[in-house]
Amino acid sequence: NAGVTQTPKFRILKIGQSMTLQCTQDMNHNYMYWYRQDPGMGLKLIYYSVGAGITDKGEVPNGYNVSRSTTEDFPLRLELAAPSQTSVYFCASSYYPSGGPIAKNIQYFGAGTRLSVL
Amino acid sequence: AQTVTQSQPEMSVQEAETVTLSCTYDTSESDYYLFWYKQPPSRQMILVIRQEAYKQQNATENRFSVNFQKAAKSFSLKISDSQLGDAAMYFCAYSAMNYGGSQGNLIFGKGTKLSVKP
Repeated sequence: NAGVTQTPKFRILKIGQSMTLQCTQDMNHNYMYWYRQDPGMGLKLIYYSVGAGITDKGEVPNGYNVSRSTTEDFPLRLELAAPSQTSVYFCASSYYPSGGPIAKNIQYFGAGTRLSVL
Repeated sequence: AQTVTQSQPEMSVQEAETVTLSCTYDTSESDYYLFWYKQPPSRQMILVIRQEAYKQQNATENRFSVNFQKAAKSFSLKISDSQLGDAAMYFCAYSAMNYGGSQGNLIFGKGTKLSVKP
């Protein structure tokens, strides 16, 4: 029962570098999400996906890109890293039964990636 | 836009005592969900309890219960018989009913840090 798996757990980047945060889930969930958590704050939504091939922006998308080629994977790409992107990043997934009853909307979270940009 | 407010940055409770964490929210929707998530030092986001707005009965999960006041837009969490393992950040979160789009996205408060004294 792996659930939502994020890699890496920690990473230090230099300003201007790029990297991809990996997220995979084995629960066959159609919805997936990326959040960032700044110190002393709640989580803010970066991007989300309602299914393979479909992504959309959340509250704080600038400086990030996502793709969803499979149901299982939802990588988050940071281009030209900046100190403002120093944060803890969480991936989550949930299941929405299309055409069925209203979803319970329970999101399952990965363990997070702590990223520092110096 | 929906907002979630947690007015208590920090709370403290004696082991075996009861503590209540406060949360207020703002929405124009009539159907929605409310959640309490626990984040221990491990950073893992753990769902504690969930409430559907259309249900008048307050949700309970073992030692955790909520006081849901829909008219007042208030959603407090009561922890009974507090244990050392309850020490964590607690986040209140809101989502609209998910009809297949972005409505199901979670909006988080800034959190309350709970300390449990032995």
